Amino acid sequence: EDKVVQSPLSLVVHEGDTVTLNCSYEVTNFRSLLWYKQEKKAPTFLFMLTSSGIEKKSGRLSSILDKKELSSILNITATQTGDSAIYLCAASSPHDMRFGAGTRLTVKP
Amino acid sequence: KAGVTQTPRYLIKTRGQQVTLSCSPISGHRSVSWYQQTPGQGLQFLFEYFSETQRNKGNFPGRFSGRQFSNSRSEMNVSTLELGDSALYLCASSLEWYGSYNEQFFGPGTRLTVL
Repeated sequence: EDKVVQSPLSLVVHEGDTVTLNCSYEVTNFRSLLWYKQEKKAPTFLFMLTSSGIEKKSGRLSSILDKKELSSILNITATQTGDSAIYLCAASSPHDMRFGAGTRLTVKP
Repeated sequence: KAGVTQTPRYLIKTRGQQVTLSCSPISGHRSVSWYQQTPGQGLQFLFEYFSETQRNKGNFPGRFSGRQFSNSRSEMNVSTLELGDSALYLCASSLEWYGSYNEQFFGPGTRLTVL
């Protein structure tokens, strides 16, 4: 059965630290890997990675897709308290979107 | 442009009742997907509609159904509610199904509580 596994499940860091969140996937007919940030209610889109775009960067956030290892990482540098959230990754196929359980990141002042 | 809207935001029902949730996608978006989010199971895909047709469906019982109207607005219906249906129901819209590499925009969700 298709599955997406994220690690760690939770993480507590201090402002200024750099964090790496992990996502591994086993999805039939994999198409893309997506990262979302969920603070209060609705997840907000961060990145989408496909075979034609395996590395994305936006400000302090960056993500890499390793198609050989079937995994992805999300890096956040110089963390701020506003980065505290649940980070979700999802693997898409033509007929499904499979989400991981999420990583709860807490950034302390 | 306006984001995805969902109504109602909160709903309390009792077991055995049925419920209808509504989602209005971003203007121009034709794909609407529905998800159930619970603490135990996380975010799970329910189904996706495009041009008034259900194209994709997750692994949920037939009590969960939906439809899409010509203006792309979508409704989701859950019949014979069970306690386990208590969850945050999220809808997301995109230009196309994300299998076509378009990002999805989520609405604020409807919090359903079944007593």
